[in-house]
This record gives sequence, C-alpha cells and structure tokens, in this order.
Amino acid sequence: EIVLTQSPGTLSLSPGERVTLSCRASQSISSSNLAWYQQRPGQAPRLLISAASTRATGVPDRFSGSGSGTDFALTISRLEPEDFAVYYCQRYGNSPLYTFGQGTKLEI
Amino acid sequence: EVQLLESGGGLVQPGGSLRLSCAASGFNFRAYGMSWVRQGPGKGLEWVSGLDGSGSSTYYVDSVKGRFTISRDNSKNMVFLQMNSLREEDTAVYYCAKRASTAAFDYWGQGTLVTVSS
Repeated sequence: EIVLTQSPGTLSLSPGERVTLSCRASQSISSSNLAWYQQRPGQAPRLLISAASTRATGVPDRFSGSGSGTDFALTISRLEPEDFAVYYCQRYGNSPLYTFGQGTKLEI
Repeated sequence: EVQLLESGGGLVQPGGSLRLSCAASGFNFRAYGMSWVRQGPGKGLEWVSGLDGSGSSTYYVDSVKGRFTISRDNSKNMVFLQMNSLREEDTAVYYCAKRASTAAFDYWGQGTLVTVSS
C-alpha cells in the first residue's frame, strides 16, 4: 500500500507570506493521480488541484501544484485570511482505490 | 449547479446497522463514479468506498469489506452506503463525493454524522 506523508503537520504563518506544503509518496505515483484539497473548519473538503498541477474551477491563481514521482508540493504565493485551513493530498490508485495524506494545518 | 445531499446518519449501537443516502443533482449522474469518504472526530480524511457510473464495479477500503455495501440508483440520482456490524471506530462524518474526469473528487456533500456508541 502506498502511503502519503505530508509535512509539516502544522505551520504558523501570517497573511501575505508564501508557503509550500509537501506531500511525499512511499512509492512513485503518476502525476495524473495526485490531488490537493482544502478543508476549512466545519466545512466539507474542496478540490484545489488535480493531476498534480491543474487548478480546479474557481480556485485562485495564488494556488499552484507541482511535483512528480514521489515528491509533490502545493504552493500558496500570498496567504489570504481565508487560506488558513487544513490541506490534504490524495492519490488515486489501487488497494485502496484512494489514499489521503494526514493533512497539514495552516494557522495564523 | 452540482449538489450532493447526504442523509441517514445518527446514533447506533455497536453491531447495529445504518443506511446512508446521497441525493445528487446538477450533472449527468450516471456518467460519473461516486464515493463515500469519512472523517473521524478530529481526524483526517479516509476514503471508504466507491463505485463506477453503472454501479457494476464497487470498491472498498479493507477495514469495511464484508460490512459495508455501496450501491446506486441511476433512475433516482442516488447513492447509498449500507453499513452493517458497525464498530465504535466507524464513528465519523460521512461525505458523499463525485469523481471528476481526472479521478479527483470535484464536488462534496456537507456530510452526515454517524455515531456508534452504547
């Protein structure tokens, strides 16, 4: 089973800062099968990035995804107050069909 | 506008059963795979089960195999999760999610809470 490890677990930052979140897979995965989600408190997750680097509809361009093989990243170029949330990476594959990382929490 | 609305959650004793429902609208329902994803109290996301557009292919995480059954009714734009032999560790908010063409989940419901406790 491929495991996704996100780091760090929690980041304390200020609005306006740039941040890069890491997602590392225990084995190489196809970039086509890597997604990022944002979850604000009390809300359902929201798709940000699919296929490692394609922004979902309506997602601001301050969000960007990159990476390949085992190392993937989500970058937020300038943090807005509404960006303080938990971020999850996700892999589509086999056994199980989908796997999530444990999440990275961005706090002010 | 795509909408997913879950229902059927509640309090159940260990060993009991619940059936979750997800009503979908705003897209060609039968053309897309659907999944259930859960989130335990204060925990991360865990994919639970999924099926393809026709309902002929179904998938489960190991921890629910043999206990949960996913199904869909394309005539009613509904997805279901029958949960039997429930355990305390199944306590979570259960989300219904639509699969995008990229295999990611592009739309999510608001979730329904399942509590397994005596």
